[in-house]
Amino acid sequence: SQTIHQWPATLVQPVGSPLSLECTVEGTSNPNLYWYRQAAGRGLQLLFYSVGIGQISSEVPQNLSASRPQDRQFILSSKKLLLSDSGFYLCAWTRRGGNEQFFGPGTRLTVL
Amino acid sequence: GQSLEQPSEVTAVEGAIVQINCTYQTSGFYGLSWYQQHDGGAPTFLSYNALDGLEETGRFSSFLSRSDSYGYLLLQELQMKDSASYFCAVGGGSSASKIIFGSGTRLSIRP
Repeated sequence: SQTIHQWPATLVQPVGSPLSLECTVEGTSNPNLYWYRQAAGRGLQLLFYSVGIGQISSEVPQNLSASRPQDRQFILSSKKLLLSDSGFYLCAWTRRGGNEQFFGPGTRLTVL
Repeated sequence: GQSLEQPSEVTAVEGAIVQINCTYQTSGFYGLSWYQQHDGGAPTFLSYNALDGLEETGRFSSFLSRSDSYGYLLLQELQMKDSASYFCAVGGGSSASKIIFGSGTRLSIRP
């Protein structure tokens, strides 16, 4: 069976500090991978998605970046966090050509 | 670009039926999905419509009209555990990897 892992579950970081969130998927190959951010009580904002190793599509210009160094690994990074980067970060995957997204447990980031 | 609209809140009574609507604007259409999210949790998939009509899965049904750029999620025999946020999303399938979500509808159920 397939599983998706995200860590850490919660994170408190000062403004201006770097960020690295990791997401890995097990039990499948060639998945499409996604990063979303959700503000409290709001919808899911698509940040990045990837259809293959090294292929990243950015949806929202901001101080975040994403990388896919391996088939089932997706990393979200920032060099300098802003207060507005606080939120619930969700990683998700779909099968290639699939329509059902499977979400990880999420990382709750607070920037102080 | 793509955008989706759905009501921000809906309230219903336990045992009743509720319909959550979603209208969308997309440059291309590749399917409408519905997800459920409980407070503090991750979204979970409920249904997907690529073609017009009604799809039924137990107490939940989803409808799509591509000509009207409109869909809805129908929840029957409401239970207290159905209190959650519900999101519509466009994209996915064999033609589109990009998946965009609506802002979500918070469903509150009263006894």
